[in-house]
Amino acid sequence: DAGVIQSPRHEVTEMGQEVTLRCKPISGHDYLFWYRQTMMRGLELLIYFNNNVPIDDSGMPEDRFSAKMPNASFSTLKIQPSEPRDSAVYFCASSFIGGGPFGYTGELFFGEGSRLTVL
Amino acid sequence: AQSVSQHNHHVILSEAASLELGCNYSYGGTVNLFWYVQYPGQHLQLLLKYFSGDPLVKGIKGFEAEFIKSKFSFNLRKPSVQWSDTAEYFCASLPGRRALTFGSGTRLQVQP
Repeated sequence: DAGVIQSPRHEVTEMGQEVTLRCKPISGHDYLFWYRQTMMRGLELLIYFNNNVPIDDSGMPEDRFSAKMPNASFSTLKIQPSEPRDSAVYFCASSFIGGGPFGYTGELFFGEGSRLTVL
Repeated sequence: AQSVSQHNHHVILSEAASLELGCNYSYGGTVNLFWYVQYPGQHLQLLLKYFSGDPLVKGIKGFEAEFIKSKFSFNLRKPSVQWSDTAEYFCASLPGRRALTFGSGTRLQVQP
């Protein structure tokens, strides 16, 4: 079974450039999450979707960040314009309905992450 | 707001030593708790989870965790660590903002 697939694995860009990160969740999963991992702040939830609809985007740092999920098998996280403080590993994760308190089990299946470096 | 605290940021052990990593959560209601592990260069994966029932939860690779409601704790344990357990360990709780809230992580280094 293919797991969560993220691309690119590594991206180095210059400040001010647009960055697009992509995620393909596990087929059949209803939930998709974007997390950011940094040394200073650990793992932070940015946004999550249920059935392609954004449920909670309060973790999105600012208007430079946007996320979309046009269909059940694809999501993007876009940063425009990028800044050096955006440098981090961005993880996508998916999950499925399983009777947990909010409809899903809480068990997340993570992708390999996209390591972003903004110079 | 819901939060998860991991007080040990970096732990160094010798092989065969016993392990206990601390995790405390702040939510006072019903809570589900998890431990995830991130091996070097790999993605996070689930070690174990607690939803209800027996507060002693057994996970993969010989790990276990005990939910102590009175202490708001969910400490991870392993009686004898191996070099291959070198990784970063994250405690997480649900509900957060209806999504998993992770602790800051504990980096475990096991020396052969």
